[in-house]
Amino acid sequence: NAGVTQTPKFQVLKTGQSMTLQCAQDMNHEYMSWYRQDPGMGLRLIHYSVGAGITDQGEVPNGYNVSRSTTEDFPLRLLSAAPSQTSVYFCASSRDLEGHYGYTFGSGTRLTVV
Amino acid sequence: GEDVEQSLFLSVREGDSSVINCTYTDSSSTYLYWYKQEPGAGLQLLTYIFSNMDMKQDQRLTVLLNKKDKHLSLRIADTQTGDSAIYFCAEVHGYQKVTFGIGTKLQVIP
Repeated sequence: NAGVTQTPKFQVLKTGQSMTLQCAQDMNHEYMSWYRQDPGMGLRLIHYSVGAGITDQGEVPNGYNVSRSTTEDFPLRLLSAAPSQTSVYFCASSRDLEGHYGYTFGSGTRLTVV
Repeated sequence: GEDVEQSLFLSVREGDSSVINCTYTDSSSTYLYWYKQEPGAGLQLLTYIFSNMDMKQDQRLTVLLNKKDKHLSLRIADTQTGDSAIYFCAEVHGYQKVTFGIGTKLQVIP
């Protein structure tokens, strides 16, 4: 099993550009989420989904859009990149909706906005 | 509000025991976790403990939970250089509400 796969691993964007960070899981997990990791701030939840067609905002949703058309995929879109979005982004999934058994994380996307 | 606090850095000698501490604020937390993050990688679930337990042991790992003081600790016995990583404490305190600490960087000196 591949688990949670994120692409790309690295990306450099210019301010104002748009891009999509891809996330796919092959474990049939209903719950998927996106986090950003910044030095000294731990992980902060951006958006999450409890199933296909259902998404909701997390702690820091501004500047990001998500959709969930299939159970497997949960892409994160940056419509107009800003330097404040320079971060490491992690996608995570969970086999139960309550999050009781922990999350499986992807290996991350390191994004730099110049 | 919910908050999880950890010290930033811990240095130990190879073969010694490591103890990483965490405090949390939500007394209604149901599950508490320890994750490990190696350089350039995502977080990997190490172990978790239910809130009605005091201790959980898994090979070299021992988790202690003091609900009265809202204190969680992770003890790694016989620490190896491969244990060098960042360790995150996390709590579940509601439906899809997971709060992570900022992580403790463990440095193992050969």
